[in-house]
Amino acid sequence: KQEVTQIPAALSVPEGENLVLNCSFTDSAIYNLQWFRQDPGKGLTSLLLIQSSQREQTSGRLNASLDKSSGRSTLYIAASQPGDSATYLCAINNQAGTALIFGKGTTLSVSS
Amino acid sequence: DADVTQTPRNRITKTGKRIMLECSQTKGHDRMYWYRQDPGLGLQLIYYSFDVKDINKGEISDGYSVSRQAQAKFSLSLESAIPNQTALYFCATAHNNEQFFGPGTRLTVL
Repeated sequence: KQEVTQIPAALSVPEGENLVLNCSFTDSAIYNLQWFRQDPGKGLTSLLLIQSSQREQTSGRLNASLDKSSGRSTLYIAASQPGDSATYLCAINNQAGTALIFGKGTTLSVSS
Repeated sequence: DADVTQTPRNRITKTGKRIMLECSQTKGHDRMYWYRQDPGLGLQLIYYSFDVKDINKGEISDGYSVSRQAQAKFSLSLESAIPNQTALYFCATAHNNEQFFGPGTRLTVL
């Protein structure tokens, strides 16, 4: 059974720092991986989608990498801002069309 | 306007009551999903549907039922609500295996 783990559970950094959020999964036979952002009490916003054949995806200050062989993905946030404060969720799609398997998230706090 | 909408956004109900949560989408996606989120547990799949005639149970479907009234509408029902169904409920659609989430419904069962 696929399990997704995100470490750390919480992270606090000062504004301007570059940071890395980690996601690990137990079964490397994935279809794709998706990173989401969730603000308190709100829905999930899709940040980046990485197909299993890809190594990384970039959007603005965000860069997500995927290493299937080691069962790891990272989300790199450059020059963090207070507006980046949120919970970041990693989710695995094992097969095309099936539901996502989520990690429990990393809650990020960026102080000004 | 939001592409995936959920109603109601907040609901407080009593044990034993029947309640329906509704989801509508304007994305034109065939695939729709219902998840629940509990603090410390992450999101778990309740039901999913690949089209109007296709309904599938997820990992935590007990106590829930769904109806896919049209491509754009997917409703979740709690036939007899119980307190441990208190949670944040999300509807999602999918296209090209990327999922898009609604704003969520916060349900409290007293």
